[in-house]
Amino acid sequence: DQQVKQNSPSLSVQEGRISILNCDYTNSMFDYFLWYKKYPAEGPTFLISISSIKDKNEDGRFTVFLNKSAKHLSLHIVPSQPGDSAVYFCAASADNFGNEKLTFGTGTRLTIIP
Amino acid sequence: ETGVTQTPRHLVMGMTNKKSLKCEQHLGHNAMYWYKQSAKKPLELMFVYSLEERVENNSVPSRFSPECPNSSHLFLHLHTLQPEDSALYLCASSHQRENTEAFFGQGTRLTVV
Repeated sequence: DQQVKQNSPSLSVQEGRISILNCDYTNSMFDYFLWYKKYPAEGPTFLISISSIKDKNEDGRFTVFLNKSAKHLSLHIVPSQPGDSAVYFCAASADNFGNEKLTFGTGTRLTIIP
Repeated sequence: ETGVTQTPRHLVMGMTNKKSLKCEQHLGHNAMYWYKQSAKKPLELMFVYSLEERVENNSVPSRFSPECPNSSHLFLHLHTLQPEDSALYLCASSHQRENTEAFFGQGTRLTVV
């Protein structure tokens, strides 16, 4: 059973527009959420995170929104740039693990069209 | 460069071979992880080492054997693998009990023939 789901395997967005990547989760014990970005032939790199006590976290062009009641989070990138083309993974963890055990989604491939 | 280094980057091995994957971090982290990424599947956590003790083993077959000799190094020993074990194996590290992100290595692309 997949506890973290990214239902869109791919997304194409025009350069300069907003990219919105979505993620749903089923485990109500998750209380910390992260987005990772992965380029080909590289490991995932951390992008932005959000704790369940917040509903929004912003870092430059990247904003993550969390809707706990819907068990849904989204990553907004604005404006989108060609270098943002990558695979984006949503991940979640539950604090009682205490060791950053992350559960990942399958990823969404974002392509920014120049 | 994330500070987590994995070697080799690519590995092709036969089903009767024995090989080891190596991971090294000098970030001062005290927890290290092995993940497996197969095509079209989510990243799967395989093993967790916290303070050099294995604290998690997610029903991984015994043909995968981890070793953590110290807080900076992590190995994954492989023997008698199957073709379905072909995948990208990622190592990660983090600081236990702090709400900080895990840092990943670049991965080892393993092909079992």
